[in-house]
Formats: sequence, C-alpha cells, structure tokens
Amino acid sequence: AQSVAQPEDQVNVAEGNPLTVKCTYSVSGNPYLFWYVQYPNRGLQFLLKYITGDNLVKGSYGFEAEFNKSQTSFHLKKPSALVSDSALYFCAVRPLRDDKIIFGKGTRLHILP
Amino acid sequence: DAGVIQSPRHEVTEMGQEVTLRCKPISGHDYLFWYRQTMMRGLELLIYFNNNVPIDDSGMPEDRFSAKMPNASFSTLKIQPSEPRDSAVYFCASSYTSGGEYFGPGTRLTVL
Repeated sequence: AQSVAQPEDQVNVAEGNPLTVKCTYSVSGNPYLFWYVQYPNRGLQFLLKYITGDNLVKGSYGFEAEFNKSQTSFHLKKPSALVSDSALYFCAVRPLRDDKIIFGKGTRLHILP
Repeated sequence: DAGVIQSPRHEVTEMGQEVTLRCKPISGHDYLFWYRQTMMRGLELLIYFNNNVPIDDSGMPEDRFSAKMPNASFSTLKIQPSEPRDSAVYFCASSYTSGGEYFGPGTRLTVL
C-alpha cells in the first residue's frame, strides 16, 4: 500500500539551531512531493513541492527540502529555526497518474526560545 | 485571489440536525477536495472532484454524508442526520492538475 511516514510525532529544537523534520514514502514510480504547515486553528499552508530537477527544493519562510530517491525520503530543513516556526508539519505525496495526495500523520515542531 | 473560502467557520448543532458546509475554490483550479481532521484520526480525505465531477468518494464515512459541486466555484458537504462523532474540522482544498493543494481555513463542527 502506498504510504507516507513521518517517524517523529514531535521535534524540539532550540531557536537559532538548524532543524530537520523527517519524511519517507512508499509509492511506486516518481511521485510529486509536498510539505505543508498548519498553525493553530488554521488550515494547511503549502510550503514547497518537488516534481523533478534539483534535489534541493526551496520554499516559503526559509524552508527547504531534500529529495533522496534511493532512500525515498523528503526531509524538511531550515538552517536557523525561529520560535514562529512552531507548528504542525505534514509531508505529502501524489503518486503519478493519481489525483489524490497522501498525507503523513504530521510532526509537531517546537522551537524553544 | 482570496484563496479558498469556507463557510461557516464554526458550526454548533444538535444531534440529528442537518449540517451544510460550503466551499468556494480558487478560481481556475480544476480539483476540489474535502477533508476531515480530528485528533484521533488525523487528516482524512473524504471526497474529491475534478471539473465538478466526483471522482472518488471512498473516504465518505457513511451515507449520512453527501457532497455536491454544481459549478466550478461552489461545493457543499452535507451531513444528515449529524452525530456527535462527526465533530471535527472540515477542510476544503483546491488545486491545479499536478499542483499542491491550497486549503481553506476550515469549518469547526461541533455536534452536541
């Protein structure tokens, strides 16, 4: 079955430190890959996507994600975390020839002042 | 563009009542999705449309749930009759083919 895994329910990072939120997927072919962020009492906001090309994708708010085909991973990264980055982050994949996006369960990111 | 618009933002109703949630997608998007989010089950896809046509409703939990998209700029999700276990945040999202989905702010439904 096709799936997306976010192995960490929560990640704690000190402000100013680099952060990584992990995502791996199990999907046939070369899917489209996405990251979303959800702030409290808000809808999901699109951060970035990978379709093809450079493995390092840059997105909103200074975030970037690295696609690794051999490891089927798409980890979200940021060089220097801000307290305002504290939120719930979702990894998602859209298999080729599929209209639907499969979402991971989400990782709660806490940036400590 | 104002983004995806959902109404109402909050809805409190009593068990057995009919509930109608509304969504206006981003103009030009050809896909529309309805999701439900709860603490227990996370984010669940209920149904999605392509060019106003329902494509996959396998996520709709029961016959009490129905969704329509009469035109490219409007969709409804109806629950009749509502039950306390339907309490959740319901999101509408829209997208272009192959693009990421843009989510509305959600409707927080509480069924007493």
